[in-house]
Amino acid sequence: KNEVEQSPQNLTAQEGEFITINCSYSVGISALHWLQQHPGGGIVSLFMLSSGKKKHGRLIATINIQEKHSSLHITASHPRDSAVYICAVRIRGGSNYKLTFGKGTLLTVNP
Amino acid sequence: DAGVIQSPRHEVTEMGQEVTLRCKPISGHNSLFWYRQTMMRGLELLIYFNNNVPIDDSGMPEDRFSAKMPNASFSTLKIQPSEPRDSAVYFCASTYMEDTEAFFGQGTRLTVV
Repeated sequence: KNEVEQSPQNLTAQEGEFITINCSYSVGISALHWLQQHPGGGIVSLFMLSSGKKKHGRLIATINIQEKHSSLHITASHPRDSAVYICAVRIRGGSNYKLTFGKGTLLTVNP
Repeated sequence: DAGVIQSPRHEVTEMGQEVTLRCKPISGHNSLFWYRQTMMRGLELLIYFNNNVPIDDSGMPEDRFSAKMPNASFSTLKIQPSEPRDSAVYFCASTYMEDTEAFFGQGTRLTVV
């Protein structure tokens, strides 16, 4: 079993819909990252969080440390949001530099 | 700052050839990472440098892979000899400190035929 599980693996939405991508992890962590990768493109860091909630534009990331769960929400989705979203965690007590990655969620937003 | 810069963006080479991938981290960042991304395994850490010193190279697949960081603004990942199974996207990332937000380059898509 992977230490970081994302769901769903694939998600198709219509423009304007509210989107939620989930990330569950099985170990204690010191931080969780959400990354975005457009097809054939580079990787962009969206959020790094260790508690609570962060918001940037239409993107909101939340984390519940007790439940070992994080969600990435996209409000008023747009076709340009189509990308792979990757959750990554920094394991507490492990090497501070190491990130453990989920397999990613492929989001397609249709116009 | 222009961000993390990788070159080349695409590389196609024949099996057995030497391949060198290059990375320029963000100025002022003291941690640099090389990752490999494949469909089967996702993102894997190959090697981590801190202040130009290799700290963890346990992810380097085998002796055919080597990485250097001669100064704070440049790193290379070399594969010699290359094999078809090395085909992947290779990412370089840098951080201000080892546990802060990571900034990734655009990646190098390597195809070994």
